[in-house]
Amino acid sequence: NAGVMQNPRHLVRRRGQEARLRCSPMKGHSHVYWYRQLPEEGLKFMVYLQKENIIDESGMPKERFSAEFPKEGPSILRIQQVVRGDSAAYFCASSPRDREAFFGQGTRLTVV
Amino acid sequence: AQKITQTQPGMFVQEKEAVTLDCTYDTSDPSYGLFWYKQPSSGEMIFLIYQGSYDQQNATEGRYSLNFQKARKSANLVISASQLGDSAMYFCAMREGLAGANSKLTFGKGITLSVRP
Repeated sequence: NAGVMQNPRHLVRRRGQEARLRCSPMKGHSHVYWYRQLPEEGLKFMVYLQKENIIDESGMPKERFSAEFPKEGPSILRIQQVVRGDSAAYFCASSPRDREAFFGQGTRLTVV
Repeated sequence: AQKITQTQPGMFVQEKEAVTLDCTYDTSDPSYGLFWYKQPSSGEMIFLIYQGSYDQQNATEGRYSLNFQKARKSANLVISASQLGDSAMYFCAMREGLAGANSKLTFGKGITLSVRP
C-alpha cells in the first residue's frame, strides 16, 4: 500500500447525512483514482482526478456523488444524503509507474 | 461482455502445494496491462504482480507467477508453496490503453482461496 493514505478507515452515517472520504496519493503524485467495492464483489471504478481537474468520471453515479482534488490537501469523495445502498468499501489508488497501481487501505462506509 | 472473468468457485489448497487461479480477459486494445491483487479478511488491497501485453516473458514476483497466454486471453496467477497467510480473496484486473494514459482498472469478481494446514 506504498503510501496511499485514506481516512477515516470506518465511517458510520445515518440515512440522509453526508459522507466525506479523504485520500492522499503517494508522495509526489498528483492523481488519484476512486473505486467502490460492494459486498462480495470486485472493485468498480468511479472517478479519476488530477490536481484541480476531473479527468474521467464515467463511473460516478449521476446524483449525490462528487469528487474533488484541490491544489492543496487530499482528494475528497463526497456522498450527499446517503442511503443504505451506499454502504460499501471505498478505495483510492495511485499509479506511480505503469507497472504498478497501489491502493489505500479503504474507507468502510456503513449507512444505518 | 465482461472484460475480466474469474469463474472459479472457492478454491482450496493444501499448505506447501501450488495453486492456480484463473483469469480471462477481453479487450480489443493491443496495449494493456494485467494485475493481480490479494485482499485478506482485513480488507486492504495488496498488489501482487503485473504483466504487460508486450512483455515477452511471464511475470514473476517471489512465490507468485503469472501464466500469460495472450492468444487465449488468459492471465492465470500461480502461487507456489502455499502458506496459511495466502488465504484471501484474489482479484484479477486490467488496464486498457497506453502507459501514461488514464490507468483506471477493471476488476473481476474475485476468487476465494483457502489454504489448509
